[in-house]
Amino acid sequence: DTEVTQTPKHLVMGMTNKKSLKCEQHMGHRAMYWYKQKAKKPPELMFVYSYEKLSINESVPSRFSPECPNSSLLNLHLHALQPEDSALYLCASSQETAVRVIQYFGAGTRLSVL
Amino acid sequence: DAKTTQPTSMDCAEGRAANLPCNHSTISGNEYVYWYRQIHSQGPQYIIHGLKNNETNEMASLIITEDRKSSTLILPHATLRDTAVYYCIAWTSAGGTSYGKLTFGQGTILTVHP
Repeated sequence: DTEVTQTPKHLVMGMTNKKSLKCEQHMGHRAMYWYKQKAKKPPELMFVYSYEKLSINESVPSRFSPECPNSSLLNLHLHALQPEDSALYLCASSQETAVRVIQYFGAGTRLSVL
Repeated sequence: DAKTTQPTSMDCAEGRAANLPCNHSTISGNEYVYWYRQIHSQGPQYIIHGLKNNETNEMASLIITEDRKSSTLILPHATLRDTAVYYCIAWTSAGGTSYGKLTFGQGTILTVHP
């Protein structure tokens, strides 16, 4: 099974709302990633978790708060977002210990901020 | 990571081979060439990767020039389902770890026609 599951598939939120995106994998991967993809643009890395610890934060605004409660689960908590944060949010995972790493992506959560 | 350059778009007839070029003239010796594709409304999907030698799997073949400055992804018998954005990425491990920081370029939009 090479599946990364993201929920919800679609989310509409107001600028004062608090919401969370969820990502789950059961491949035993120890590295997990959040990407943001604007329309007609390539995905951009936001965060990397390795062994449940935050390893990379690509200078993402604090209104995005990642969390990795266990090795299978990755959350992205959203608060006070702006309309320009509307995008497709992609989660990915990979084997931490593999030399040549393949990232497996979920289908994404399409977020609209009103 | 080395910057990659790809044509913006390409067309291919169904059943014919699709040859997608990628230029990575500044690639360093330890950087792998990875190919991913993204079908509309889905997350990116890994296709193939290589370092020096040509590689083949059930999805595609990867031809890397001897000087490693360019490569070509070959889909031997393109189908309509191969219509997607194809990303060529030069990747290396991040900070000595084995997980990678994928930096997506603009990619090539491949359209397969009946």
